[in-house]
Amino acid sequence: NAGVTQTPKFRVLKTGQSMTLLCAQDMNHEYMYWYRQDPGMGLRLIHYSVGEGTTAKGEVPDGYNVSRLKKQNFLLGLESAAPSQTSVYFCASGASGTYNEQFFGPGTRLTVL
Amino acid sequence: AQTVTQSQPEMSVQEAETVTLSCTYDTSESDYYLFWYKQPPSRQMILVIRQEAYKQQNATENRFSVNFQKAAKSFSLKISDSQLGDAAMYFCAYRRGGAQKLVFGQGTRLTINP
Repeated sequence: NAGVTQTPKFRVLKTGQSMTLLCAQDMNHEYMYWYRQDPGMGLRLIHYSVGEGTTAKGEVPDGYNVSRLKKQNFLLGLESAAPSQTSVYFCASGASGTYNEQFFGPGTRLTVL
Repeated sequence: AQTVTQSQPEMSVQEAETVTLSCTYDTSESDYYLFWYKQPPSRQMILVIRQEAYKQQNATENRFSVNFQKAAKSFSLKISDSQLGDAAMYFCAYRRGGAQKLVFGQGTRLTINP
């Protein structure tokens, strides 16, 4: 199993450009998440999904959109990138259960100039 | 709102010795879960250990154990027989029962001295 994979690993954008980050998981998990990690801070939840076709806002959703058209994929979109969105983005997936443990992808480093 | 605080930005320990990383959290909930994640230079977040608030017994995973003090809202991580591969950022995280969001602390950078 590949677990959770993210595409791309690195990206540089100019202010105002758009892009989509792709997350894929092969563990048949119901739940998927997008986090961002900024220097000196822990991860913060952007959006999440509890099942195919559903999405919900997390702690820092502004400037991002998401879609979960297929159970195994969770897309994070930036319609008009801003320098404040320079960050490392992590996708995670998890199954329902006692701990609802989350498994993380390797991250995408995004720089917005 | 729930918060997680890691008061030690950096820690260092000699190889083969024991180190304890601190974590405190603030919540009014009784049903919650606590986690320690390791983030090595590869950036991959790896779950180290987890604890359910209802369980009084401290969780243990090989060389990793926790000291869960529910009344004090403290959840420290003890690493025994430290190894060079333990060098990483360590994040404490909280999740309210029934919620999806993990709330992370700021992290502690652990250095292992050979």
